[in-house]
Amino acid sequence: DAKTTQPTSMDCAEGRAANLPCNHSTISGNEYVYWYRQIHSQGPQYIIHGLKNNETNEMASLIITEDRKSSTLILPHATLRDTAVYYCIVRVAIVNSGYALNFGKGTSLLVTP
Amino acid sequence: GAVVSQHPSRVICKSGTSVKIECRSLDFQATTMFWYRQFPKKSLMLMATSNEGSKATYEQGVEKDKFLINHASLTLSTLTVTSAHPEDSSFYICSVGGASGKTYNEQFFGPGTRLTVL
Repeated sequence: DAKTTQPTSMDCAEGRAANLPCNHSTISGNEYVYWYRQIHSQGPQYIIHGLKNNETNEMASLIITEDRKSSTLILPHATLRDTAVYYCIVRVAIVNSGYALNFGKGTSLLVTP
Repeated sequence: GAVVSQHPSRVICKSGTSVKIECRSLDFQATTMFWYRQFPKKSLMLMATSNEGSKATYEQGVEKDKFLINHASLTLSTLTVTSAHPEDSSFYICSVGGASGKTYNEQFFGPGTRLTVL
């Protein structure tokens, strides 16, 4: 799996957009970018994933640069409940989910009132 | 998506005892389950992969005789920490992957089990 680099921590004011960057300069053509988050003392939660096109769902948007060497997860209107550690994971498509995930250190996002 | 439960959510035991943690896939048949461990302020680390009906595959440095994994059915995997010691105190999380006849693009995680060994 390609290595990812994320900032250790970020702050965001409640109601504002939270933009979480991830660098994955060694990503290969068949690798997807996945984002998970882990709220304190809970199991990880899937957020979104993409290959090369930008993606949006009810939780977030994923912007992938044209060269695919970096991406940004956007939480459009952060709430206090979005405070969590966010993990950017690059790997081949999890077909049938039969592959373990390699969690790096992630970004600890603190949403403040 | 799949719903995954773990039991117990929290357990405190004495050093030297064994503890069993259950991971259940509530709404689909999981051919593959993963067990992760997370120490305080650290990231999740994969311990082992269990496939229904076969022996689990352990990651380097994880003692298979200490962490017994049984994937007896398509909805249940158990992790038994044998002769637990304080250094085994951790947050144990299972995830479900590999569904017979289905294709998912994500993994589904349980809520985790907090083990404290005194």
